[in-house]
Amino acid sequence: EAQVTQNPRYLITVTGKKLTVTCSQNMNHEYMSWYRQDPGLGLRQIYYSMNVEVTDKGDVPEGYKVSRKEKRNFPLILESPSPNQTSLYFCASSYRDPRNTEAFFGQGTRLTVV
Amino acid sequence: DQQVKQNSPSLSVQEGRISILNCDYTNSMFDYFLWYKKYPAEGPTFLISISSIKDKNEDGRFTVFLNKSAKHLSLHIVPSQPGDSAVYFCAASERTGGFKTIFGAGTRLFVKA
Repeated sequence: EAQVTQNPRYLITVTGKKLTVTCSQNMNHEYMSWYRQDPGLGLRQIYYSMNVEVTDKGDVPEGYKVSRKEKRNFPLILESPSPNQTSLYFCASSYRDPRNTEAFFGQGTRLTVV
Repeated sequence: DQQVKQNSPSLSVQEGRISILNCDYTNSMFDYFLWYKKYPAEGPTFLISISSIKDKNEDGRFTVFLNKSAKHLSLHIVPSQPGDSAVYFCAASERTGGFKTIFGAGTRLFVKA
């Protein structure tokens, strides 16, 4: 089954404790991205990657890091999480040009930073 | 400043009637627009898209209209069904400056049986 898998689905952590949210897709997509969803703000793009070793900032990259060492994986790293990073996070993937085709989203990771 | 705006947080429609969801954008460089649907506890799923060279795209019960001069697009659902109850996100992208996709805040649609 074609899918985008995020882990964990739920996470509660403390301020400053480094964490990684994993994302994996099995569709051989080249383009992957991370979003956060907040009430009244919709989905905001954090980072995106157009291929292995090619990443770029989205609209809200501060406080986040990503890496794309393999085509299927695109982890989101929070080196020192803060309470304002409490949010619902989505990973997505699509074919080479996301403008001409749909993006497939994971089920989301609800992160709470206390 | 939000480049993609969905000014109606919610919309309630009777089953069988038309649902019209609206979206406005400010960036004239946007050249591709998409609509996604999201159910609770799930990720968004793609619904329909339209290129800026078109003014209408239709897929079954779903039609998207684009008015470039007004920087406005709308999603029509006819006839509306209770299973259409979800949050609908409008999104836009432009080729210049990378492949960023900008989403609106979403509109929650309630279809009453």
